[in-house]
Order: sequence, then C-alpha cells, then structure tokens
Amino acid sequence: QVHLVESGGGVVQPGQSLRLSCAASGFSFSSYGMQWVRQGPGKGLEWVAAISHDGNNKYYADSVKGRFTFSRDNSRNTLFLQMTSLRTEDTAVYYCAKGWWMEGLENWGQGTMVTVSS
Amino acid sequence: QSALTQPPSASGSPGQSVTISCTGTSSDVGYYNYVSWYQHHPGKAPKLLIYEVRKRPSGVPDRFSGSKSGNTASLTVSGLQAEDEADYHCSSYAGSNTLVFGGGTKLTVL
Repeated sequence: QVHLVESGGGVVQPGQSLRLSCAASGFSFSSYGMQWVRQGPGKGLEWVAAISHDGNNKYYADSVKGRFTFSRDNSRNTLFLQMTSLRTEDTAVYYCAKGWWMEGLENWGQGTMVTVSS
Repeated sequence: QSALTQPPSASGSPGQSVTISCTGTSSDVGYYNYVSWYQHHPGKAPKLLIYEVRKRPSGVPDRFSGSKSGNTASLTVSGLQAEDEADYHCSSYAGSNTLVFGGGTKLTVL
C-alpha cells in the first residue's frame, strides 16, 4: 500500500527558507517520478515541481523557478523541497504525489501547511 | 502556465448525473490526451479518478467517466451519492514538462 507523508511545514516570514520532506513507502520508490502540488487558501491546486525517478531531471512552475529546489534520496525513500525567498503567495498546503504526466498523480500525501506571513 | 477553467460549483440530487467542465487551450487540453481528474475531500489526500482523458484506475467506480472535445474536458458523475460531495480538480499536461490544474469545482449533493 502506497504511503506518502509530508513534513516540515510551518510559519515563516517573507524572505525566509523552509525545507519540506516527503517519506514514501509501499512501492519501489526509485522507479517512479514524483511531484509537488500545492493548494493556497480558497484556491485550486497548483503544480509546483516534478522530479524524475533517478533525480536527474527536475522541472518547476514559473512561480517557483529559481527559488525552490526539488531533490530526492532514493536510499532513504524521501523527497525534499527546499524553498527559499518565500513570499506570502507561497502560503499553501503542500502535497507530494507519485506519478507522471501521462498516468496522472495516482497517490498523494495528506499535505503539510506552509504559512508565509510577517 | 495559465490555470484551466472550471465552474466553481455544481450540484445534483442523489441518483442524478452531473457533468463538470474543464476548459483549457489548444496548447494543453486541446493538444494532449493527458487530462486527469481528482476528487478531494477537504482534509484528506486527493484521489485520482480519471487519467488520459477517460481511463479509470482500478477501484474507481464506473459512475465516474471522462471525455474531451476540443479544448474542453468533462467529468461526468452518474448515480450521484452523498459521498460524492467533494471538490473536483482537473489537470492537463501543458508541454515542456509542466502540468496545469483547474481552479476546482465544489460538488454539492442536494
């Protein structure tokens, strides 16, 4: 059974940094591309970033490019999202998800809340 | 990376059918057959309902069906049940290794 658990959310001030983690279990982690998706308060889902199964290819939404870095440790079955220069508009629940463009995001975690506020 | 357009709300009575639309452009929904739909009960993990426009993952009831015409994709929920009350989100591959979502539709079962 696939299990994804996000952690690392919290309250930070604009301009500060935060690192999110996503612990995965129940599947062959190193064989799958993974993604981060967020949902701001009262908003729809927003794609944030994707990483290939081996971590060699990373893709970002324009809204986070240059500020967020997506990485993975296949030996620990863990994803990381390093977020820098945070803005108030980055306030959202951040979900990690298993899947790629064609087959959809077939499994999601329950999310971790990030609040950017002065 | 402009968001896809969904109606903010939809509703239907138990047993009825409801269709939710998802409008994009000729660069995303209209070009690729990589439209997905997700069901999201607040506070829970989103659930994949439909991928590649009309395919259902195992375990998803056939009451949920997807289609596409031009730049608009649609999700139809037939035989509405109380537990179908949730937020529904569409997404489409938008090329250049990017994904775009819709604004979400809140489905109310009357």
